[in-house]
Amino acid sequence: SQQGEEDPQALSIQEGENATMNCSYKTSINNLQWYRQNSGRGLVHLILIRSNEREKHSGRLRVTLDTSKKSSSLLITASRAADTASYFCATAPLYDKVIFGPGTSLSVIP
Amino acid sequence: AAGVIQSPRHLIKEKRETATLKCYPIPRHDTVYWYQQGPGQDPQFLISFYEKMQSDKGSIPDRFSAQQFSDYHSELNMSSLELGDSALYFCASGQGRYEQYFGPGTRLTVT
Repeated sequence: SQQGEEDPQALSIQEGENATMNCSYKTSINNLQWYRQNSGRGLVHLILIRSNEREKHSGRLRVTLDTSKKSSSLLITASRAADTASYFCATAPLYDKVIFGPGTSLSVIP
Repeated sequence: AAGVIQSPRHLIKEKRETATLKCYPIPRHDTVYWYQQGPGQDPQFLISFYEKMQSDKGSIPDRFSAQQFSDYHSELNMSSLELGDSALYFCASGQGRYEQYFGPGTRLTVT
């Protein structure tokens, strides 16, 4: 079974709105990362949050981590058309490889 | 800062041919991971190496093999290529087993 699962699977919003994506996982983790991927392109690392952190910001991105609920959320504020992409959460269980969730496909409509 | 280097970036092969993908980790990183991402899929873990020894194995087909060399670069060898092997192949490196950093990927197209 997958370590990370994301919801929603697809999200469509208007430019300027906020987009929230959630990720749930099953086992204890060392850290959790969010990646963006434009269609067929490489993985762009967005942000890493460690298991002892609860919230992290980077520009228009805000990531939260709730280890008691085994969940994380990625908030993109004031979305732009260029934010259209797939967003993956990737969990790093203790002493193990990173495992990707199925991703959320975000469409930002100009 | 130096990043993970993968070569080639694009590769086109025919069915039943062989392909070799290379990964050069970030300096001083001792762990390399390989992932395969099919169209519309999330990246799937294939195999990893720590200090030149295989450390973990995922859904890697028997037709594929990999190794990590003394300079810590890694190569993924794929033989008897099938159409279904067409995918993005990512390499990631790390120090120990924490904080993997991904390369740009190699796009393999099998025709």
